[in-house]
Amino acid sequence: DVKVTQSSRYLVKRTGEKVFLECVQDMDHENMFWYRQDPGLGLRLIYFSYDVKMKEKGDIPEGYSVSREKKERFSLILESASTNQTSMYLCASSFPGLRNSPLHFGNGTRLTVT
Amino acid sequence: AQKITQTQPGMFVQEKEAVTLDCTYDTSDQSYGLFWYKQPSSGEMIFLIYQGSYDEQNATEGRYSLNFQKARKSANLVISASQLGDSAMYFCAILSGTYKYIFGTGTRLKVLA
Repeated sequence: DVKVTQSSRYLVKRTGEKVFLECVQDMDHENMFWYRQDPGLGLRLIYFSYDVKMKEKGDIPEGYSVSREKKERFSLILESASTNQTSMYLCASSFPGLRNSPLHFGNGTRLTVT
Repeated sequence: AQKITQTQPGMFVQEKEAVTLDCTYDTSDQSYGLFWYKQPSSGEMIFLIYQGSYDEQNATEGRYSLNFQKARKSANLVISASQLGDSAMYFCAILSGTYKYIFGTGTRLKVLA
Protein backbone atom coordinates (compact mmCIF):
# COMPACT_ATOMS: atom_id res chain seq x y z
CA ASP A 1 0.00 0.00 0.00
CA VAL A 2 1.14 3.52 -0.79
CA LYS A 3 1.90 5.46 2.32
CA VAL A 4 2.03 9.22 2.36
CA THR A 5 3.00 10.61 5.74
CA GLN A 6 2.60 14.16 6.88
CA SER A 7 4.72 15.04 9.87
CA SER A 8 2.05 16.84 11.90
CA ARG A 9 -1.72 16.42 12.23
CA TYR A 10 -2.18 19.73 14.04
CA LEU A 11 -0.02 22.84 14.14
CA VAL A 12 -0.55 26.18 15.83
CA LYS A 13 1.75 29.01 14.75
CA ARG A 14 1.93 32.73 15.27
CA THR A 15 1.61 35.35 12.57
CA GLY A 16 4.96 36.01 10.94
CA GLU A 17 6.52 32.68 11.84
CA LYS A 18 8.20 30.53 9.21
CA VAL A 19 6.35 27.23 8.96
CA PHE A 20 7.49 23.95 7.46
CA LEU A 21 5.04 21.21 6.52
CA GLU A 22 6.76 17.94 5.70
CA CYS A 23 5.51 15.09 3.54
CA VAL A 24 7.13 11.74 2.79
CA GLN A 25 5.93 8.99 0.43
CA ASP A 26 7.26 5.47 0.20
CA MET A 27 6.13 4.35 -3.26
CA ASP A 28 8.75 5.97 -5.45
CA HIS A 29 6.19 8.30 -7.04
CA GLU A 30 7.60 11.02 -9.25
CA ASN A 31 4.67 13.37 -8.73
CA MET A 32 3.99 15.08 -5.44
CA PHE A 33 1.44 17.75 -4.63
CA TRP A 34 0.40 20.18 -1.93
CA TYR A 35 -3.26 21.10 -1.69
CA ARG A 36 -5.14 23.41 0.59
CA GLN A 37 -8.68 22.49 1.66
CA ASP A 38 -11.19 25.07 2.85
CA PRO A 39 -14.94 24.60 3.45
CA GLY A 40 -16.98 25.36 0.35
CA LEU A 41 -13.88 25.68 -1.82
CA GLY A 42 -12.83 22.07 -2.18
CA LEU A 43 -9.16 21.29 -2.72
CA ARG A 44 -6.95 23.87 -4.37
CA LEU A 45 -3.48 23.10 -5.71
CA ILE A 46 -0.68 25.13 -4.18
CA TYR A 47 2.38 23.54 -5.77
CA PHE A 48 3.26 20.46 -7.76
CA SER A 49 6.59 18.67 -8.24
CA TYR A 50 7.28 16.13 -10.99
CA ASP A 51 10.89 15.35 -10.08
CA VAL A 52 13.60 16.18 -7.59
CA LYS A 53 14.27 19.91 -7.52
CA MET A 54 11.48 20.47 -10.07
CA LYS A 55 8.35 22.38 -9.13
CA GLU A 56 5.46 24.16 -10.72
CA LYS A 57 3.02 26.65 -9.29
CA GLY A 58 -0.53 25.57 -8.82
CA ASP A 59 -3.59 27.76 -8.56
CA ILE A 60 -2.78 29.50 -5.27
CA PRO A 61 1.02 29.67 -4.78
CA GLU A 62 1.15 33.14 -3.24
CA GLY A 63 2.67 33.11 0.23
CA TYR A 64 4.05 29.58 -0.18
CA SER A 65 7.21 27.93 -1.44
CA VAL A 66 8.24 24.30 -1.73
CA SER A 67 11.34 22.16 -1.58
CA ARG A 68 12.00 18.76 -3.09
CA GLU A 69 15.59 17.72 -2.40
CA LYS A 70 14.83 13.99 -2.38
CA LYS A 71 12.30 12.05 -4.42
CA GLU A 72 10.36 10.84 -1.41
CA ARG A 73 10.10 14.17 0.41
CA PHE A 74 8.16 17.29 -0.48
CA SER A 75 8.07 20.22 1.89
CA LEU A 76 5.69 23.17 1.94
CA ILE A 77 7.05 26.39 3.41
CA LEU A 78 5.11 29.37 4.65
CA GLU A 79 7.76 32.09 4.71
CA SER A 80 5.76 34.39 6.99
CA ALA A 81 2.56 32.81 8.20
CA SER A 82 -0.61 34.86 8.10
CA THR A 83 -4.05 34.23 9.56
CA ASN A 84 -5.54 33.67 6.10
CA GLN A 85 -3.30 30.63 5.79
CA THR A 86 -5.22 28.88 8.55
CA SER A 87 -6.45 25.78 6.73
CA MET A 88 -6.17 22.04 6.18
CA TYR A 89 -3.12 21.13 4.10
CA LEU A 90 -3.05 17.87 2.18
CA CYS A 91 -0.01 16.28 0.58
CA ALA A 92 -0.45 13.73 -2.20
CA SER A 93 1.60 11.67 -4.63
CA SER A 94 0.96 9.79 -7.86
CA PHE A 95 2.59 8.01 -10.76
CA PRO A 96 3.09 10.27 -13.76
CA GLY A 97 1.66 9.81 -17.20
CA LEU A 98 -1.15 7.40 -16.36
CA ARG A 99 -4.67 8.64 -16.90
CA ASN A 100 -5.99 6.27 -14.27
CA SER A 101 -3.40 7.10 -11.63
CA PRO A 102 -5.19 8.29 -8.52
CA LEU A 103 -3.72 10.67 -6.01
CA HIS A 104 -2.62 9.07 -2.75
CA PHE A 105 -3.08 11.43 0.15
CA GLY A 106 -1.56 11.88 3.56
CA ASN A 107 -3.75 12.39 6.61
CA GLY A 108 -3.56 16.15 6.39
CA THR A 109 -2.16 18.89 8.59
CA ARG A 110 -4.60 21.28 10.19
CA LEU A 111 -2.72 24.55 10.57
CA THR A 112 -3.96 27.38 12.74
CA VAL A 113 -2.20 30.75 12.52
CA THR A 114 -2.99 33.10 15.38
CA ALA B 1 -10.33 25.24 -18.36
CA GLN B 2 -11.48 22.14 -16.53
CA LYS B 3 -14.15 22.40 -13.89
CA ILE B 4 -15.99 20.04 -11.55
CA THR B 5 -19.42 20.92 -10.15
CA GLN B 6 -20.99 19.15 -7.19
CA THR B 7 -24.36 20.79 -6.61
CA GLN B 8 -25.34 18.94 -3.43
CA PRO B 9 -23.63 20.45 -0.38
CA GLY B 10 -25.30 17.88 1.88
CA MET B 11 -27.30 14.69 1.54
CA PHE B 12 -29.10 12.35 3.91
CA VAL B 13 -29.78 8.68 3.27
CA GLN B 14 -31.35 5.96 5.36
CA GLU B 15 -29.12 3.05 6.28
CA LYS B 16 -29.30 0.19 3.74
CA GLU B 17 -30.70 2.42 1.01
CA ALA B 18 -28.88 3.55 -2.13
CA VAL B 19 -27.79 7.12 -2.70
CA THR B 20 -26.54 9.04 -5.74
CA LEU B 21 -24.04 11.87 -5.43
CA ASP B 22 -23.97 14.18 -8.42
CA CYS B 23 -20.92 15.34 -10.33
CA THR B 24 -20.77 17.25 -13.59
CA TYR B 25 -17.57 18.27 -15.31
CA ASP B 26 -16.37 20.56 -18.01
CA THR B 27 -13.36 19.84 -20.17
CA SER B 28 -12.38 20.31 -23.79
CA ASP B 29 -10.04 17.33 -23.69
CA GLN B 30 -11.03 14.03 -25.29
CA SER B 31 -8.94 11.95 -22.92
CA TYR B 32 -9.46 12.40 -19.20
CA GLY B 33 -10.03 10.50 -15.99
CA LEU B 34 -12.66 10.94 -13.32
CA PHE B 35 -12.12 10.03 -9.68
CA TRP B 36 -14.19 9.90 -6.53
CA TYR B 37 -12.70 10.27 -3.06
CA LYS B 38 -14.15 9.85 0.41
CA GLN B 39 -13.02 12.00 3.32
CA PRO B 40 -14.20 10.82 6.76
CA SER B 41 -14.16 13.18 9.71
CA SER B 42 -10.63 12.00 10.51
CA GLY B 43 -9.44 13.90 7.44
CA GLU B 44 -7.72 11.38 5.19
CA MET B 45 -8.75 11.27 1.53
CA ILE B 46 -9.58 7.76 0.39
CA PHE B 47 -9.67 6.89 -3.32
CA LEU B 48 -12.91 5.09 -4.19
CA ILE B 49 -13.36 4.64 -7.92
CA TYR B 50 -12.05 5.68 -11.33
CA GLN B 51 -13.70 6.16 -14.72
CA GLY B 52 -11.77 6.79 -17.93
CA SER B 53 -13.26 8.89 -20.69
CA TYR B 54 -12.86 6.05 -23.19
CA ASP B 55 -14.24 3.35 -20.89
CA GLU B 56 -17.37 1.92 -22.42
CA GLN B 57 -18.68 0.40 -19.22
CA ASN B 58 -19.51 2.14 -15.98
CA ALA B 59 -16.93 1.52 -13.29
CA THR B 60 -17.84 -0.51 -10.22
CA GLU B 61 -15.95 -1.19 -7.00
CA GLY B 62 -17.90 -3.19 -4.45
CA ARG B 63 -20.80 -1.05 -3.25
CA TYR B 64 -19.62 1.90 -5.33
CA SER B 65 -20.56 2.40 -8.96
CA LEU B 66 -20.24 5.27 -11.31
CA ASN B 67 -23.10 6.40 -13.54
CA PHE B 68 -21.04 7.84 -16.38
CA GLN B 69 -22.92 9.82 -19.04
CA LYS B 70 -20.27 11.23 -21.33
CA ALA B 71 -22.58 13.28 -23.55
CA ARG B 72 -24.04 14.99 -20.50
CA LYS B 73 -20.60 15.28 -18.89
CA SER B 74 -21.78 13.72 -15.68
CA ALA B 75 -20.13 11.11 -13.45
CA ASN B 76 -22.45 10.43 -10.55
CA LEU B 77 -21.38 8.16 -7.70
CA VAL B 78 -23.89 5.56 -6.58
CA ILE B 79 -23.46 3.97 -3.16
CA SER B 80 -25.63 0.92 -2.66
CA ALA B 81 -26.77 -0.46 0.70
CA SER B 82 -25.53 2.55 2.67
CA GLN B 83 -23.77 1.95 5.95
CA LEU B 84 -23.21 4.27 8.90
CA GLY B 85 -19.51 4.28 8.04
CA ASP B 86 -20.32 5.88 4.68
CA SER B 87 -21.01 9.18 6.44
CA ALA B 88 -18.28 11.46 5.10
CA MET B 89 -17.42 14.16 2.57
CA TYR B 90 -17.25 12.94 -1.01
CA PHE B 91 -15.21 14.67 -3.68
CA CYS B 92 -15.31 14.27 -7.43
CA ALA B 93 -12.16 15.08 -9.39
CA ILE B 94 -10.99 15.17 -13.00
CA LEU B 95 -7.49 14.55 -14.33
CA SER B 96 -6.97 16.21 -17.63
CA GLY B 97 -3.45 16.56 -18.89
CA THR B 98 -0.42 15.16 -17.13
CA TYR B 99 -0.95 16.25 -13.56
CA LYS B 100 -3.79 18.70 -13.15
CA TYR B 101 -6.37 17.15 -10.85
CA ILE B 102 -9.35 19.48 -10.40
CA PHE B 103 -11.66 18.86 -7.45
CA GLY B 104 -15.25 19.78 -6.79
CA THR B 105 -16.41 21.42 -3.58
CA GLY B 106 -17.67 18.14 -2.16
CA THR B 107 -20.90 16.65 -0.85
CA ARG B 108 -21.37 15.82 2.81
CA LEU B 109 -23.28 12.56 3.18
CA LYS B 110 -24.98 11.59 6.41
CA VAL B 111 -26.30 8.05 6.79
CA LEU B 112 -29.19 7.76 9.23
CA ALA B 113 -29.74 4.71 11.41
